[in-house]
This record gives sequence, structure tokens and C-alpha cells, in this order.
Amino acid sequence: GAGVSQTPSNKVTEKGKYVELRCDPISGHTALYWYRQSLGQGPEFLIYFQGTGAADDSGLPNDRFFAVRPEGSVSTLKIQRTERGDSAVYLCASSLGGAQETQYFGPGTRLLVL
Amino acid sequence: DAKTTQPPSMDCAEGRAANLPCNHSTISGNEYVYWYRQIHSQGPQYIIHGLKNNETNEMASLIITEDRKSSTLILPHATLRDTAVYYCIVRLNTGNQFYFGTGTSLTVIP
Repeated sequence: GAGVSQTPSNKVTEKGKYVELRCDPISGHTALYWYRQSLGQGPEFLIYFQGTGAADDSGLPNDRFFAVRPEGSVSTLKIQRTERGDSAVYLCASSLGGAQETQYFGPGTRLLVL
Repeated sequence: DAKTTQPPSMDCAEGRAANLPCNHSTISGNEYVYWYRQIHSQGPQYIIHGLKNNETNEMASLIITEDRKSSTLILPHATLRDTAVYYCIVRLNTGNQFYFGTGTSLTVIP
């Protein structure tokens, strides 16, 4: 079946602008995760949704970052007043749910803030 | 922080077995060991996971020591397409996030 998809694949924006990154999880997966990956580093956790609610947002770096999943499927990561340090690959993953379920990752969105 | 230690890089000859080690000396009894890999410019790809017993699937084998303080991922016949960064992850039992660390960059040499 279809895997996790993310759009756009690449996003270039200017410092101070607002961006939205979209994630379409695997159908039927109730858990959804956002990670951020800087160059040369492993992915770092941002936020985890179980259904529509954010079960763990401890990885969000500050209040400029926000994510929603209003219908328990598609999720949007929103970044306000972007900074050059926000440039990274933003990865989305989904799983069936539960504490030990395998996460399946999308290809990521490459964000460049000029 | 990640609770695993991996060598930063390894080479392997094409067609030979690639053995990637991982130390996780502080692992708890109900924490699983997961392995993912990331090929350049792609998202991480699930390989295998295990708790206590050795595991094998179509991609790899996972050998976990009896004390569970270390494990080895084995790619039995490495190909050039196996060149990637391999992440060993211990799954926290208090949450669902993965801590990736910096992984091992495996280069398969022709």
C-alpha cells in the first residue's frame, strides 16, 4: 500500500515568513510523529499524535512551532516567524499505535530559510 | 539523549557480511532494540527490531547478547545499495519517540 507522503518535498522561504508542512500517514495508522533532522545529525523528535490529540509535544523547540491533526489523519506542522536555524529536513512517521509499534517514515520536507 | 553507542563509520566489501555493532548498556528489561537505516536524501527505513531473542527477516539478522547490553545487525550479503547510515535505537518505555543518535555510516565497497 501507499507509504507516508509529505508535501512539499522542498520549501524555500525568507526569514520571518510562515510555513506549513503537510504529512499524509499510512491509512489506518492512528499514531503520527514529526521529527527534524539537521545536516549530519540523526532525526530529533518534535511531537507525537495519538488520534487527533498531541500526546507528547516535548520536542517542539519553542512556541513558533505548532502542529495539528484535526481529523486524526493528515497532520500539518506550522512554523511562524521562521529563522535561518529552522532550516532542516522535517520528517513525518506513522504507526498503528501503541508503545512498541514500528514507525514508518516519509521522505521528508527540506526547508531552507534564507 | 540516545542511549546507544555506535561506531561512526564502517566499510564492507560487496558480497560480504556487514556486521554493525551497537552498545546499549543501560537498556531496561522491557525496552526493544530497533534498527533503521537512512539512504542519502531519503527518510529512515525500518530494518528489524527485537527484545531478547535473535531475529531474522528478509533484510537482516539481529543478534542481541544474553545480557542485552549490546547487539549486532548483520546484513548477510552486502550490496552497493546497502550504503547508508544505520541507526540503532532503544525504544523508551515511557513514550513513543525514537532517539536516533548519529548512527554508523556504512560504505559498501565494490
